[in-house]
Amino acid sequence: DAGVTQSPTHLIKTRGQQVTLRCSPKSGHDTVSWYQQALGQGPQFIFQYYEEEERQRGNFPDRFSGHQFPNYSSELNVNALLLGDSALYLCASSPRPRGVDTQYFGPGTRLTVL
Amino acid sequence: AQKITQTQPGMFVQEKEAVTLDCTYDTSDPSYGLFWYKQPSSGEMIFLIYQGSYDQQNATEGRYSLNFQKARKSANLVISASQLGDSAMYFCAMSSYGGATNKLIFGTGTLLAVQP
Repeated sequence: DAGVTQSPTHLIKTRGQQVTLRCSPKSGHDTVSWYQQALGQGPQFIFQYYEEEERQRGNFPDRFSGHQFPNYSSELNVNALLLGDSALYLCASSPRPRGVDTQYFGPGTRLTVL
Repeated sequence: AQKITQTQPGMFVQEKEAVTLDCTYDTSDPSYGLFWYKQPSSGEMIFLIYQGSYDQQNATEGRYSLNFQKARKSANLVISASQLGDSAMYFCAMSSYGGATNKLIFGTGTLLAVQP
C-alpha cells in the first residue's frame, strides 16, 4: 500500500522565481491538503483540494496556487518567490475532505529561497 | 477560533522511562478530533494516535496513550518505555467536524530527547 509521495525532496530557488511541488496521495484517498512548515514552527494549512477544486484556503497570498488532477495527485505552485517562502512543504491526504479522518503526510519538500 | 497550545519547547527523558507531553486545545465545535504526530529530523510527519471528542475511553496505540481530559481541554501524549528512536519533535493537532474541511491546526511542538 503506497503512502503519500512528494517530489522533489529538496529545491533551491532564487527570489522572484516560480516553483512547482508535486504530491501523490495514499492509495484510496481523494483529498489532498498542503501545509507550510517554517523552521521551528508547526505546519500551517495552505489549502485543500477535492474533486479537482480548491475547497478551503488558509492565510496565504494568491502567489500560492494549486491544482488537482483526475488521478487525485496535486501540485502546489508558488510564484514570485520571497526569502520568507523558505520552508518545508508537506502534503497530506485523507479519504474525504471533511470530518476527522486521519491525514497521512508525505516526506515533504524542503524549499530554500536565496 | 481553534487553537492548540504546547507549552513544553523541549523535554528530556531517560531510556525506558515514561514521559508525558502536554497539549491543551480551544474550540467551540462540539465534535472534533485530536491527533499526535511525530516528526523526526528527516521531516516526515508520522501519525501516532487519534482521540475523538465523543470517545469514552482514552486512545492507546502500543506504547502511546492519550490522556484525554475533556473538561480541562487537554490531550496529553504519554509514551511508555521510551526508546532512543523516540527522539523527535512531537506535534499535537486538531480538526473539527464543523469545519468546511478537515484542515489540521497544529501546536508549536515539543522536542523530545531520549537519553541512554
